[in-house]
Amino acid sequence: DTAVSQTPKYLVTQMGNDKSIKCEQNLGHDTMYWYKQDSKKFLKIMFSYNNKELIINETVPNRFSPKSPDKAHLNLHINSLELGDSAVYFCASSQQGNRIRETQYFGPGTRLLVL
Amino acid sequence: GQQVMQIPQYQHVQEGEDFTTYCNSSTTLSNIQWYKQRPGGHPVFLIQLVKSGEVKKQKRLTFQFGEAKKNSSLHITATQTTDVGTYFCAGQGSGGYQKVTFGTGTKLQVIP
Repeated sequence: DTAVSQTPKYLVTQMGNDKSIKCEQNLGHDTMYWYKQDSKKFLKIMFSYNNKELIINETVPNRFSPKSPDKAHLNLHINSLELGDSAVYFCASSQQGNRIRETQYFGPGTRLLVL
Repeated sequence: GQQVMQIPQYQHVQEGEDFTTYCNSSTTLSNIQWYKQRPGGHPVFLIQLVKSGEVKKQKRLTFQFGEAKKNSSLHITATQTTDVGTYFCAGQGSGGYQKVTFGTGTKLQVIP
């Protein structure tokens, strides 16, 4: 049983297209996250949701819109894809997210390549 | 905002040599976590340190949290090829709700 799953695993698309990445966790966690990892391996948080409510929204372009239909799912929609969006996108979850000492569990990642 | 830097960015070692990565935060932390990401994989939690000056060991790995709770280190004794990967520290600020900020990572290559 995969704890945090993401689809698709790979995504190759043309500049200007719109695409979505889906994430699901079966750990019963309340908090979910989206991270972007660039070619230099820097791991930057983009968004965080706690019980379907947005709690962290870093300086991310408006073309990125997260959606959490329920606390087990957090999807990421990207409009008008640009070359600089090419990266690995990781979904993660943690038990509550508003307490200290929270371990994060990461999904396998979605490798996005914009041509 | 809170920044967490790691040095070195890259490290190549001969198998059997020791390895250390250092993590420094711009602000005092409530706790620090360490994660390992294998090539092509995702970050996996290794350990968490909470107390000032805390030292924890996992087999050949030794983790330390600084007295001022602003820095941390991970030391691997007698590296093996299975240690290859990128090691991230992740610090959480103190006071109320604070997000976890990941460090810049140290990529370890072990030469057999």
